[in-house]
Amino acid sequence: QVQLRESGPGLVRPSETLSLSCSVSDDSITSYYWNWFRQPPGKSLEWIGYIFYTGITNYHPSFRSRVTISIDSSKTHFSLSLTSVTAADTAVYYCVRSLWRDNPQVFQYWGQGTLVSVSS
Amino acid sequence: QSALTQPTSVSGSPGQSITISCTGTGSDVGGYNFVSWFQKHPGKAPKLIIYEVINRPSGVSSRFSGSKSGNTASLTISGLQAEDEADYYCSSYTTSSTFEFGGGTRLTVL
Repeated sequence: QVQLRESGPGLVRPSETLSLSCSVSDDSITSYYWNWFRQPPGKSLEWIGYIFYTGITNYHPSFRSRVTISIDSSKTHFSLSLTSVTAADTAVYYCVRSLWRDNPQVFQYWGQGTLVSVSS
Repeated sequence: QSALTQPTSVSGSPGQSITISCTGTGSDVGGYNFVSWFQKHPGKAPKLIIYEVINRPSGVSSRFSGSKSGNTASLTISGLQAEDEADYYCSSYTTSSTFEFGGGTRLTVL
């Protein structure tokens, strides 16, 4: 089954851009929906958004003005960019693949998560 | 404040059954059969245990079951085991084409 792994800086300065990458172990990035989630310390899970393999994106309104999700041209990674970060963006970030090729509603495959702290 | 409402905590003894509720509105839980439940152990990634209200992914124990009535979805765990102690989160698709989560429920196995 597909394996996902997040990578990126563990520390980001306030007002800067948080950038994470998610490596995909098979060639399924040419299908399916690819999501980013996060969980701030002591809080619930939050869906940030997804990208469909065609390039179509959908973002949660809470992040829409600051977020970009993209698929790398190598078709082996997809990425998250979150601008103008504050301490409230400190969280464990997860990349996730949908269960179905043509349906984004089921979040089956999760990466292990990576902690990103926002601090000066 | 989370969009969906879950109890903060529930508890039960080994072998017992517990139910966790997830209350939303007609714009999310009540409007779609796209409710999922996730189990999360500390330091681990969330694990999908129920999707589309009632379906279990391959490999998930039949002790986990889901249901929905109106704007409230429920997760029932039967035959409680020590390993079931975890946080449980519900999520739902919404009329805004987004996904919302509940605040999470801490399950303690006594």
